[in-house]
Amino acid sequence: DTGVSQNPRHKITKRGQNVTFRCDPISEHNRLYWYRQTLGQGPEFLTYFQNEAQLEKSRLLSDRFSAERPKGSFSTLEIQRTEQGDSAMYLCASSHPRTGGPSSSYNEQFFGPGTRLTVL
Amino acid sequence: QKEVEQDPGPLSVPEGAIVSLNCTYSNSAFQYFMWYRQYSRKGPELLMYTYSSGNKEDGRFTAQVDKSSKYISLFIRDSQPSDSATYLCASSGNTGGFKTIFGAGTRLFVKA
Repeated sequence: DTGVSQNPRHKITKRGQNVTFRCDPISEHNRLYWYRQTLGQGPEFLTYFQNEAQLEKSRLLSDRFSAERPKGSFSTLEIQRTEQGDSAMYLCASSHPRTGGPSSSYNEQFFGPGTRLTVL
Repeated sequence: QKEVEQDPGPLSVPEGAIVSLNCTYSNSAFQYFMWYRQYSRKGPELLMYTYSSGNKEDGRFTAQVDKSSKYISLFIRDSQPSDSATYLCASSGNTGGFKTIFGAGTRLFVKA
């Protein structure tokens, strides 16, 4: 399978514990995005990388959240001192930037299956 | 106010019906308007997108964008039970890495 992969698929943790998720993008995709999705809501943007550079962070990404993408390949999202409000699906997506072509061309983001986090 | 507003439904229709899904958005800088489909326990997958105003058709699916009223629509003709899913409208500009803003999603049930 050459799609976006995420691990683990499910994580149950106790409040106050740290958790780390991993995302492996489609190879050759140099943009990588993290989103959070709660029940009954659409995905909310958290942050994105172009290669190894983290170019934008949402205000949703509190100090307890940190994302890295060493070497511009896989990415990790760490949540420290988890809270019950962190329970959600964490989605990763990747895209390949448009090089040339019309401005009407959209860079499709390909999503992984997500990591479902439950904080007890 | 959310940047992309979408009625979460649920919407239940009989097989073969025409389905109309709608969203509104508030950010005039948005230029790309997407519809994603999400099945239970899966990540969203892009169904189709429209650049600026206009219509786009792909098989049984038609997307419409009216930038003057900031209105986004998706029509599904001859709906099938396999169309049962959550449909997410989304928008982005052409800067910031195409950061995408999603609506809440509309849950669609197509009954055989």
